[in-house]
Amino acid sequence: NAGVTQTPKFRILKIGQSMTLQCAQDMNHNYMYWYRQDPGMGLKLIYYSVGAGITDKGEVPNGYNVSRSTTEDFPLRLELAAPSQTSVYFCASSYPRGRKYSNQPQHFGDGTRLSIL
Amino acid sequence: AQTVTQSQPEMSVQEAETVTLSCTYDTSESDYYLFWYKQPPSRQMILVIRQEAYKQQNATENRFSVNFQKAAKSFSLKISDSQLGDAAMYFCAYRRDITSGTYKYIFGTGTRLKVLA
Repeated sequence: NAGVTQTPKFRILKIGQSMTLQCAQDMNHNYMYWYRQDPGMGLKLIYYSVGAGITDKGEVPNGYNVSRSTTEDFPLRLELAAPSQTSVYFCASSYPRGRKYSNQPQHFGDGTRLSIL
Repeated sequence: AQTVTQSQPEMSVQEAETVTLSCTYDTSESDYYLFWYKQPPSRQMILVIRQEAYKQQNATENRFSVNFQKAAKSFSLKISDSQLGDAAMYFCAYRRDITSGTYKYIFGTGTRLKVLA
C-alpha cells in the first residue's frame, strides 16, 4: 500500500519557470490537501479538494493552481515561479466527513523540496 | 478564527526521561479533534496520537500520552522513557469542520525535540 506519493522529491527552478508537483493516493480518500512548510514553521494550507472536480482555496493560494480530475490525483501547478515559493510542499489525503471516519487523521506524502533561484 | 500555539520552539530531554510538549488552541466549537504529528529529519509527517474533544479520557499510545484540558484549551504531549528516535519536530494540529463539508487542519509552528544520550 503506497499511501500518498509525491513527485519529484527535489527540484530547482529558475524565476519565472513553471512546473507541476504531482500527488497521488491509493487509499480511495475523498479529501486531498496541499500544504507548504517554510523553514522553522508549521504547515500552511494552499488548496484542498473534497472530491473529483471540486477544489477550494486555503490560506495561501496565490501563485498556485490545482485540479482534481480523478479521486487519486491532485497536482499542484506553479505558473510563474518566484523566490517566495521556495519551500517544502506536502500533499495529504483523508477520509470524508462522517462519524464513521471521524477519528481518522490525514495521511501525508514525503514532501517535495522546491528551490526557486 | 482558530489558532494553535506551541510556545516552546525547542526542548531537550535526557534519554529514558520524560518530557512534556505544550500546545494551546483557540476555538469556539465544542466538537473537534486534536492531533500530534512527528516530523523526523526525513521530513515525513507521522501521526503520533489523536484526541476527540467529546471524550474526557486522555488518549494514550504506548509511551505517548496527552493531557487534554478542554476548558483551558490545552493539549500537551507527554513522552515517557524518551528514546533517541524520538528526536524530531512535533506539530500540534486542530481539525475543524467547515461549511463545504470537509475538514481543515490548523497546525502550530512546531517544537523541536532533542534527545540527549
